[in-house]
Amino acid sequence: NAGVTQTPKFRILKIGQSMTLQCAQDMNHNYMYWYRQDPGMGLKLIYYSVGAGITDKGEVPNGYNVSRSTTEDFPLRLELAAPSQTSVYFCASSPSGTSGTDTQYFGPGTRLTVL
Amino acid sequence: EDKVVQSPLSLVVHEGDTVTLNCSYEVTNFRSLLWYKQEKKAPTFLFMLTSSGIEKKSGRLSSILDKKELFSILNITATQTGDSAVYLCAVRLTSGTYKYIFGTGTRLKVLA
Repeated sequence: NAGVTQTPKFRILKIGQSMTLQCAQDMNHNYMYWYRQDPGMGLKLIYYSVGAGITDKGEVPNGYNVSRSTTEDFPLRLELAAPSQTSVYFCASSPSGTSGTDTQYFGPGTRLTVL
Repeated sequence: EDKVVQSPLSLVVHEGDTVTLNCSYEVTNFRSLLWYKQEKKAPTFLFMLTSSGIEKKSGRLSSILDKKELFSILNITATQTGDSAVYLCAVRLTSGTYKYIFGTGTRLKVLA
């Protein structure tokens, strides 16, 4: 199993540009999450999904969009990038709430800089 | 508002010391509490706690949950330089959302 994969690893954007951060998991997890982590801070939830076709906002959704057309993939779209979106982005997945385990599996992260 | 608070924010110790990291929470619909270690990359899972008073152990690390007082501690004995990392505490909620709320983490530095 590859686990949770993210691409790209690094990206520099100019203000106003758009991009999509890719996330995929091969563990057949229903739940997937996008977090951002600013320097010296914990993880803030951007969006999450409880299954294909179902997404919901987290704590900091402004400036982002997501879609979940398959169980495996959960891309995060940044529209009109702003310097405040400079951060490290982590995608994660977890089994459903009925599985008996709450372990969350993280991807390696994408370091995004907006100049 | 659901929140998870960790203390201290940072800690510097010498090899061989024992450290205790704290995590308190105020959430509506608690399901479980998890500890992660983060070393300049993605967090890695340490423990999941759901029941009060039952200690989880893995080598020199141990953790326990108090659901009455709404906190957990993570103990590391005989610290080593390889324990230097940020330790994150998260609470998973229930009631359909199953979201995780993270604390800001405790940055531990172990000096040789």
